[in-house]
Amino acid sequence: NAGVTQTPKFRVLKTGQSMTLLCAQDMNHEYMYWYRQDPGMGLRLIHYSVGEGTTAKGEVPDGYNVSRLKKQNFLLGLESAAPSQTSVYFCASSSYGPNGTGHYAKNIQYFGAGTRLSVL
Amino acid sequence: LAKTTQPISMDSYEGQEVNITCSHNNIATNDYITWYQQFPSQGPRFIIQGYKTKVTNEVASLFIPADRKSSTLSLPRVSLSDTAVYYCLVGPRILISSGSARQLTFGSGTQLTVLP
Repeated sequence: NAGVTQTPKFRVLKTGQSMTLLCAQDMNHEYMYWYRQDPGMGLRLIHYSVGEGTTAKGEVPDGYNVSRLKKQNFLLGLESAAPSQTSVYFCASSSYGPNGTGHYAKNIQYFGAGTRLSVL
Repeated sequence: LAKTTQPISMDSYEGQEVNITCSHNNIATNDYITWYQQFPSQGPRFIIQGYKTKVTNEVASLFIPADRKSSTLSLPRVSLSDTAVYYCLVGPRILISSGSARQLTFGSGTQLTVLP
């Protein structure tokens, strides 16, 4: 069971370049999230999605775009990378409500291993 | 936003009980408190979740006072492998696509170092 998979694991960009980070989950979760983690600042929510075809802004959405065309995938795009976007990016997924196995999911987030991005 | 505040770091010795407190003065009625553990170069992983009073599972306990303005994660008999950063997250369980997840606020985390 893979859980949440992020690709790529590492990337170096030059200022102004664009790229897309891919997040895939195999747990049939409704909710998906993108966070960035900077030293000493914990995790900050960039964008999130409550279902296929829907996205919403989090705490720090500027400079990023997202898409959720399929339930299992959540893409994070940087159209014109800036050095301030150097960070570690984490994707997460979660579910809330009856999960079909007799249990009640409590919106516990499952995280990927992260993508380390450097913008020069 | 339900801003959270945690101690930056804590040290403990193997076998001791560790209590990490998170302050969340602006917690909303429908917010839950969830704690996560993060090792270097890994994503956070769930430890425990609660709404009020006390919750216990096989690895930790969570104490939440009646006013819910703070919470305390208790780790019994820590070992070296418990050295990690611990985060508290305050926010609603049900999200809607209108900015409610802005309320998903992670604290800055507490670096717990367990010494032999």
